[in-house]
Amino acid sequence: DQQVKQNSPSLSVQEGRISILNCDYTNSMFDYFLWYKKYPAEGPTFLISISSIKDKNEDGRFTVFLNKSAKHLSLHIVPSQPGDSAVYFCAASSIIQGAQKLVFGQGTRLTINP
Amino acid sequence: DARVTQTPRDKVTEMGQEVTMRCQPILGHNTVFWYRQTMMQGLELLAYFRNRAPLDDSGMPKDRFSAEMPDATLATLKIQPSEPRDSAVYFCASAFGEGNYGYTFGSGTRLTVV
Repeated sequence: DQQVKQNSPSLSVQEGRISILNCDYTNSMFDYFLWYKKYPAEGPTFLISISSIKDKNEDGRFTVFLNKSAKHLSLHIVPSQPGDSAVYFCAASSIIQGAQKLVFGQGTRLTINP
Repeated sequence: DARVTQTPRDKVTEMGQEVTMRCQPILGHNTVFWYRQTMMQGLELLAYFRNRAPLDDSGMPKDRFSAEMPDATLATLKIQPSEPRDSAVYFCASAFGEGNYGYTFGSGTRLTVV
C-alpha cells in the first residue's frame, strides 16, 4: 500500500529551465509534506516543506505547491542548475504517539543537462 | 556541524550470518528512525524510537530483524540470519521532538548479502 507515490522515476531538464517534480498521496490525514534531496553515497537531506494548511511555500529557487483536493504536491526548481542533479524524495508526515512519522515516495532522479 | 553517524559504511556478508548496523544520532535528538532504501520500494520505515523507547517497528520482519537503543547515543539494527533479499542501503535518521522541519539522515550502511 503505497501512500505516497512519485510516478516518474526520472526527469531530464536543460540547465536554466524549470524542473517540476510531482508527488501524489492517498491519506488525507497527512499534515505536513516535505521534499528531500539525495546525492549518491549520501543520506537524504531536507530541502523544503509545506504545512497542509498552506498551498505554497517558497525558498529561493525552490517552491512547493500543495493541492489538497487532488492530493497532489509538486516541487518547482527555477532556474535548474547542474548541482540540482540528484534523487528527490517526496515525504508526507503524520504524528504517531508524539513522534513525526514520515512516509516516503520512491524517488525521482533529476538530471540537469548543460 | 552536527551529523548522524552510521557504521559500517559498507558490509558484505554471507547468507545466514548476523549483521549489526550502528547509528549515533545527533546529540540532543530524542527520536531515531531506521529506514531501508531499495529500488522497488524507495525509502521504507523499519522502526523508530522516542526517548529510547520503541514506538513502531511494524515495518520490520520480526523473525529476523531487531532494533534497540541501549543508550541515547547509540541505536542498533540487527539482522539474524541475513538473507540476499536484505541487500539494501539502511539509513538512520534523528530528530528532536515532533517538529516538522525534517529529519537528519546519516550516510547509510550499504549491505550486500551473498
